[in-house]
Amino acid sequence: GENVEQHPSTLSVQEGDSAVIKCTYSDSASNYFPWYKQELGKRPQLIIDIRSNVGEKKDQRIAVTLNKTAKHFSLHITETQPEDSAVYFCADSGGGADGLTFGKGTHLIIQP
Amino acid sequence: GAGVSQTPSNKVTEKGKYVELRCDPISGHTALYWYRQSLGQGPEFLIYFQGTGAADDSGLPNDRFFAVRPEGSVSTLKIQRTERGDSAVYLCASSLSAGHYEQYFGPGTRLTVT
Repeated sequence: GENVEQHPSTLSVQEGDSAVIKCTYSDSASNYFPWYKQELGKRPQLIIDIRSNVGEKKDQRIAVTLNKTAKHFSLHITETQPEDSAVYFCADSGGGADGLTFGKGTHLIIQP
Repeated sequence: GAGVSQTPSNKVTEKGKYVELRCDPISGHTALYWYRQSLGQGPEFLIYFQGTGAADDSGLPNDRFFAVRPEGSVSTLKIQRTERGDSAVYLCASSLSAGHYEQYFGPGTRLTVT
């Protein structure tokens, strides 16, 4: 079945620096790649997503890039702030509108 | 508007008992998904409805798990003969339709089987 690998599992950065989280997927038919932020005890929140017909998407301090040839996509957060501390999950939808396959998550820690 | 809601927020049950978990999707969303999240893991897909029908139930772990959505809105996840390994947070998500990929999650039901 579909597999999504996510790295790193933990990422600690200084406030104001950038953070990058990377994911790879296995299904070449995958066409939708969302990123979710989950704070402790809360629901996953959709923060940004990208479809296979574009290579990059940006929304204020966050951006996502997609390399379909290499089957990997990345989340970039610039000018990190304390409220960015959370667990971030990448996911992909496979080739259709079925359930998402999630990575194992990255615990992002913003050091003051 | 109102987001996805789930009840109960917490459920403690004894091994072997039957439980029902309820999900109320965003109004107008025709696609509904159930996931299970264990501690320290990402959500794991269980089943997906488009309207009233289960379009994909390939993620259900075994025949003790069943879900319904009789009127195409509220859904109930049913677990028979619960086991300790069923303990997890059960998350529900909805999207506008199967062709609109953005899924919005509810707060989850934390199930503890003792």
